[in-house]
Amino acid sequence: GAVVSQHPSRVICKSGTSVKIECRSLDFQATTMFWYRQFPKQSLMLMATSNEGSKATYEQGVEKDKFLINHASLTLSTLTVTSAHPEDSSFYICSATAGGNTGELFFGEGSRLTVL
Amino acid sequence: SQKIEQNSEALNIQEGKTATLTCNYTNYSPAYLQWYRQDPGRGPVFLLLIRENEKEKRKERLKVTFDTTLKQSLFHITASQPADSATYLCALDLRYSSASKIIFGSGTRLSIRP
Repeated sequence: GAVVSQHPSRVICKSGTSVKIECRSLDFQATTMFWYRQFPKQSLMLMATSNEGSKATYEQGVEKDKFLINHASLTLSTLTVTSAHPEDSSFYICSATAGGNTGELFFGEGSRLTVL
Repeated sequence: SQKIEQNSEALNIQEGKTATLTCNYTNYSPAYLQWYRQDPGRGPVFLLLIRENEKEKRKERLKVTFDTTLKQSLFHITASQPADSATYLCALDLRYSSASKIIFGSGTRLSIRP
């Protein structure tokens, strides 16, 4: 199956700093990538839909200036948490589809962000 | 707004029995409904997809049903094993609708005891 790589898997940062998370599709081209956030024992909450070469579409309630998403190529999307605060601590997961607007999502392994 | 609900937060089943998980949704039916497995601290892994015009789908010990009248999907694991213990998520694929996204249920944490 298609592979999505996410890095880093864990990151600890100080409050006020920015953190970048990378999501790569290793063996396919992903025109669309999705970024989710997950709190303990809760479901995946869609943050934004990232389309290659265009601006991301953010879900209601998600601050686009705080969660910067860049999808510069067909294999790479990045999420930057700017001026991170402890309440931003969460599990961030990216996913992508392999071609077209149907079919399964391939997920990265997730990134555990802890803001001190 | 579209809502999706997985009725059981947790389910405890004896090994060898059939586990049945429920997923209900409101408003319009998705073109596709998907089921994923998620282990602690990992990203979800795709299991099965069922289309709106399909009633049932099988894959090895897994079976999914899709009832657009009831707005419900059932996910069955037959001959359950301890290795099946995980959280199972259902997802509505709304990419063909104005919503243009995939939304997930809260998940059911399944535990299979030996």
